[in-house]
Amino acid sequence: QITLKESGPTLVKPTQTLTLTCTFSGFSLSTSAVSVGWIRQPPGKALEWLALIYWTDDKRYSPSLRSRLTITKDTSKNQVVLTMTNMDPVDTATYYCAHSPNSGSYFYFDYWGQGTLVTVSS
Amino acid sequence: SYVLTQPPSVSEAPGKTARITCGGNNIGSKSVHWYQQKPGQAPVLVIYYDSDRPSGIPERFSGSNSGNTATLTISRVEAGDEADYYCQVWDSSGDHPVFGGGTKLTVL
Repeated sequence: QITLKESGPTLVKPTQTLTLTCTFSGFSLSTSAVSVGWIRQPPGKALEWLALIYWTDDKRYSPSLRSRLTITKDTSKNQVVLTMTNMDPVDTATYYCAHSPNSGSYFYFDYWGQGTLVTVSS
Repeated sequence: SYVLTQPPSVSEAPGKTARITCGGNNIGSKSVHWYQQKPGQAPVLVIYYDSDRPSGIPERFSGSNSGNTATLTISRVEAGDEADYYCQVWDSSGDHPVFGGGTKLTVL
């Protein structure tokens, strides 16, 4: 049974760096084709994909946020960490991590964490 | 970057069939996936590979994909189907996933 859970601060100040951790179970990030991604959703708005890390440690980032994002994995701890620099109030959102069993053209997210709301305010 | 276009809202009466579209340039050549998100909850995968249903998703949910439009069809709509629905594909040129803007399904 695959589960994922996000953790991190609920409140950050503008210009600070956000660090979120996704702790998962039921799969290994060293298994072929598996990846973990981060997706966010501002209140009342649509889902926005942020970053992705593959079992190979290959990484993908949203073109619009690439300069601010870093995704890493710790396979031994079953964790994926996302950092986002220079936070702004417009980054206020619920941040989700999710599992994908596939790569490339057939990519989809089959399991999601519950999400964590991050508010950016001074 | 590849753009997916969804209608902001769709309404349908209980027992009827609701259809939610997802438009994109030659989307029929891509694999389309659909997520259901109820208020305050995380998204749930309801359709993958255009028309496959994950375990536990009712047969009332089906999908199709051709030309420039993919469609999520919900037969015999129930009050519990009221939610936001998002389509998603892989942008092969950008090498990353893309979500549509979402459609709010209202059950009248």
